[in-house]
Amino acid sequence: KAGVTQTPRYLIKTRGQQVTLSCSPISGHRSVSWYQQTPGQGLQFLFEYFSETQRNKGNFPGRFSGRQFSNSRSEMNVSTLELGDSALYLCASSLDSSVLNTEAFFGQGTRLTVV
Amino acid sequence: GESVGLHLPTLSVQEGDNSIINCAYSNSASDYFIWYKQESGKGPQFIIDIRSNMDKRQGQRVTVLLNKTVKHLSLQIAATQPGDSAVYFCAETVRGGFKTIFGAGTRLFVKA
Repeated sequence: KAGVTQTPRYLIKTRGQQVTLSCSPISGHRSVSWYQQTPGQGLQFLFEYFSETQRNKGNFPGRFSGRQFSNSRSEMNVSTLELGDSALYLCASSLDSSVLNTEAFFGQGTRLTVV
Repeated sequence: GESVGLHLPTLSVQEGDNSIINCAYSNSASDYFIWYKQESGKGPQFIIDIRSNMDKRQGQRVTVLLNKTVKHLSLQIAATQPGDSAVYFCAETVRGGFKTIFGAGTRLFVKA
């Protein structure tokens, strides 16, 4: 069974640009969450999607957005990139957190560097 | 790979000793807790979980203890091995909240 796949693995962008990151969850998993990881702030929750609906959102500016497709694949977008957006962006999938929380499985992340 | 966190609390243990990693969680309404292990250059990896109706759960070489009174979690690793060297995160979730909050992490060094 394939794990969570995130693409691309590494990305370098310039300030002011936008970026789209992709996440393919484990087959059968319908919940996808996104996290930003930085040395200073640790793992910060961005948002969670289930059946194409965003069910919760972290405390990030509106420049950060996401969506989920009918096949559960998810994308996140960051517009007007800032230097502080440089981070490891992690995606996690889980079976179903609508009733009972279950463990999340993480991808290897996308390392975004903004210059 | 790059460091997960440059200023994390660090625990250094001798190979073969037992390790105890502690975590204080924030939300008294949290009802599901997970420990993750993150190695350099990789995403967090599930180790063990526990629900709030339990106070102890054992896995292979790992035990998680939950003290809801003081909002404290601990991860015990028996006979620590060099391969256990990593950053360990506790995470908490409130049922129906669809959001997982991670602790700051603890770096474990295992000396051979």
